[in-house]
Amino acid sequence: GAVVSQHPSWVICKSGTSVKIECRSLDFQATTMFWYRQFPKQSLMLMATSNEGSKATYEQGVEKDKFLINHASLTLSTLTVTSAHPEDSSFYICSARDPFGTNTDTQYFGPGTRLTVL
Amino acid sequence: SQQGEEDPQALSIQEGENATMNCSYKTSINNLQWYRQNSGRGLVHLILIRSNEREKHSGRLRVTLDTSKKSSSLLITASRAADTASYFCAASGGSNYKLTFGKGTLLTVNP
Repeated sequence: GAVVSQHPSWVICKSGTSVKIECRSLDFQATTMFWYRQFPKQSLMLMATSNEGSKATYEQGVEKDKFLINHASLTLSTLTVTSAHPEDSSFYICSARDPFGTNTDTQYFGPGTRLTVL
Repeated sequence: SQQGEEDPQALSIQEGENATMNCSYKTSINNLQWYRQNSGRGLVHLILIRSNEREKHSGRLRVTLDTSKKSSSLLITASRAADTASYFCAASGGSNYKLTFGKGTLLTVNP
């Protein structure tokens, strides 16, 4: 149980285009999902908290107009990188909590999406 | 802000040996979690220890927590080549369930 998927697993795009990444909780409902980015050989940095049915909460320094987050259902959150530039190239990982499960504090992570902007 | 910091940054051992990784954080926590990440993959949750717990076991894993020193350790016993991965601690505090990750320890287990 508690499986989180991401799609796509990797994407290559041209500078200036927008890219949408999906995060799904497959066997549980997630009222809260989290989006992280990870640069090579570095740790995960929390970008934003995605709340079902309401606006996302962004961490300091993260541009909300650049990284659009939509959490339209209890099993799906999307991250759209708008007008992507090479410096946005990174590994994007989502996670989700199962608020009704036995381990409500545990975050379950998706497999990540490798974004490369040319 | 709270932050997990692991040491060592890299650890190389032989199969069968034990591996110990340490983590420190800065502010009060509700719990501390350890995750494993294989290269280029997502994170796998290993173990969660709550602020009122001092030690926890799961299979070959043993985690300790010292809230007075704001530190935690992860011990992997009888390591295997398949344990090769990066290990991260993540501190959780407050009611928003946000995790603050440490820099990670890259563990290499040589066969």
